[in-house]
Amino acid sequence: ETGVTQTPRHLVMGMTNKKSLKCEQHLGHNAMYWYKQSAKKPLELMFVYSLEERVENNSVPSRFSPECPNSSHLFLHLHTLQPEDSALYLCASSQDREGGIGETQYFGPGTRLLVL
Amino acid sequence: AQKITQTQPGMFVQEKEAVTLDCTYDTSDPSYGLFWYKQPSSGEMIFLIYQGSYDQQNATEGRYSLNFQKARKSANLVISASQLGDSAMYFCAMREGIGDDKIIFGKGTRLHILP
Repeated sequence: ETGVTQTPRHLVMGMTNKKSLKCEQHLGHNAMYWYKQSAKKPLELMFVYSLEERVENNSVPSRFSPECPNSSHLFLHLHTLQPEDSALYLCASSQDREGGIGETQYFGPGTRLLVL
Repeated sequence: AQKITQTQPGMFVQEKEAVTLDCTYDTSDPSYGLFWYKQPSSGEMIFLIYQGSYDQQNATEGRYSLNFQKARKSANLVISASQLGDSAMYFCAMREGIGDDKIIFGKGTRLHILP
C-alpha cells in the first residue's frame, strides 16, 4: 500500500464513451502525475500537476483531459478514445520540486483500460 | 538517444542467488537522481531505491543495493538472496537537474525467479 489509490482498477469502454479515472493520494504530497504504460513501451509521462497547476503536458491528445481539483485528487477524463489508447494508466505523487531531485514518486496500482 | 538503457529484456535466476539488473544512463547534467522501481503483475510501481549523483556511497535498502559507477554512467541494481516474490518487471529511472518533476524511465527488465 503506497498511499496512492486509483479507481477503477479495470475499465472497458467503447470509442464513443466518456469515462473518468480517479487518483487520490494520502501522503501529503503536492505534485501529481499521470503516466501511460503500453505493452513493450517505456512509461510515458502524460501530465504533471504541481501545487494544483498543470506544469507539463507531453503532447497528449485532447481526448485525454486532466483535472486536479486539489492536491490530493487527480482525474483523467476520457472521451472518444481509440483502441491504441488501451494501456495501463498509472498515477503518481511526490513532494513538490523544492524537495529536490531525490523526491521519489509513489505510484498507485493503475487502471487497466481497454478501448473497444 | 535513450536517456535510460536497460539491455536485459528478461532474466531467469535461481532462487537464493544474487541478481544484477543493468542500467546505464545518459545526461550532461551534473545533478541528477537515479531510481529503481519494481512492478509486479498487479501493475503497481513500487519504489525500491534511490541514488543521488553526489552521493559518495552506494545506496542500500535491505536486500537491494545500487552499484553506482558514475564515470561509466551505470546504476545497476543488485538483489541479494533472491526470492520467488522478486519475480516482476524492474524499471530504472532518472530525474535530471534541480526542480525538474520529470522522471525518465527505461524499458524495464522482466525478472523470473525459479524455484
